[in-house]
Amino acid sequence: DTAVSQTPKYLVTQMGNDKSIKCEQNLGHDTMYWYKQDSKKFLKIMFSYNNKELIINETVPNRFSPKSPDKAHLNLHINSLELGDSAVYFCASSLKTGNEKLFFGSGTQLSVL
Amino acid sequence: GEDVEQSLFLSVREGDSSVINCTYTDSSSTYLYWYKQEPGAGLQLLTYIFSNMDMKQDQRLTVLLNKKDKHLSLRIADTQTGDSAIYFCAESFAYSGGGADGLTFGKGTHLIIQP
Repeated sequence: DTAVSQTPKYLVTQMGNDKSIKCEQNLGHDTMYWYKQDSKKFLKIMFSYNNKELIINETVPNRFSPKSPDKAHLNLHINSLELGDSAVYFCASSLKTGNEKLFFGSGTQLSVL
Repeated sequence: GEDVEQSLFLSVREGDSSVINCTYTDSSSTYLYWYKQEPGAGLQLLTYIFSNMDMKQDQRLTVLLNKKDKHLSLRIADTQTGDSAIYFCAESFAYSGGGADGLTFGKGTHLIIQP
């Protein structure tokens, strides 16, 4: 009964491949996020969805496309993977947008070879 | 239960010191972190401490680590209204494949500043 679950936990793939990371939250939250953790441990927001609608889209390559089939799910699809995409990706959710606490998933370690 | 626990709210008066506490479970954590989330913004790394250190000071911030008790605290001296935010404690865990550590976060402590 994990609150925010993302799969897979590890993802190792070749350059040029297309991959997806899935995220689900069972908290009944309206807002979901994808964060990328860079080499300095800074969690940088990539996307935010509120009730299936995109509300934050930071400067992220077009190869990254989020998809929210319903408000409990926010998946991240990445096309034509590059070496620089190797990082840890965190899904998170909050009750609503704005000044709310974020509940994070455990992270997906993406390694592009 | 939670791997990282912290109290949900802390209210302090402007000018006083704030002490935010955290307990964690993974004794193999290499680093322990404090993240700050300001209203409407993403998480930002505030400070971190290496697990073989007891204390780290950075201007108004003091991090204390009691590894025996698995207790981490963040002290903010002379708390200002701009310190109003949510503070997340996090412990790291190493992925077997190497690369960036994973992070387990607490639920965050709302720091409320009273005038």
